[in-house]
Amino acid sequence: AQSVTQLDSQVPVFEEAPVELRCNYSSSVSVYLFWYVQYPNQGLQLLLKYLSGSTLVKGINGFEAEFNKSQTSFHLRKPSVHISDTAEYFCAVSLYGGSQGNLIFGKGTKLSVKP
Amino acid sequence: GAGVSQTPSNKVTEKGKYVELRCDPISGHTALYWYRQSLGQGPEFLIYFQGTGAADDSGLPNDRFFAVRPEGSVSTLKIQRTERGDSAVYLCASSLDSGVYGYTFGSGTRLTVV
Repeated sequence: AQSVTQLDSQVPVFEEAPVELRCNYSSSVSVYLFWYVQYPNQGLQLLLKYLSGSTLVKGINGFEAEFNKSQTSFHLRKPSVHISDTAEYFCAVSLYGGSQGNLIFGKGTKLSVKP
Repeated sequence: GAGVSQTPSNKVTEKGKYVELRCDPISGHTALYWYRQSLGQGPEFLIYFQGTGAADDSGLPNDRFFAVRPEGSVSTLKIQRTERGDSAVYLCASSLDSGVYGYTFGSGTRLTVV
């Protein structure tokens, strides 16, 4: 069975600083990998996804993530954060090549950007 | 519609009561997913519809939970004999295909059982 671990429940950072949100997964089979963002009182929005090909994936709002198969990681990064990036970020996996997209989510990381 | 719409946005009910939560997916999307997000947790899968049929209901926690999608569009999640532990945000998502490559979430319904 797959599982997802987000190592940090909260990450405070100053505006314009770089940030990395960590995600590790466990699976005996290949998976698709996703990062979703949840702004206060809103639904989840897809930031980026890794399906295949290049291990460096670029998403919206300047975020990127790198798939590392040997480390079973999919860390999310942004070189310079803004106040508006304050939100909760969820890493998720689904079964590679599956017929449906059931996602296994991590518990989330709350990013707090301070001026 | 432009996005996935969920109604109501908030629902407070008494323990033991019956509730219905509605999801209106993006027009033309055949795949529809329900998730439950408890406080401090990530969303947990409940059920997946492809068209009118429930293709996978393995995430429904018990027989008090039931969902329908009679015309392949709007879906209703039904909870009987609500318990305080059912308090959570219920999220709906839809996709054009099976949803394997990601999907669009609604804003959720916050259910509080008192």
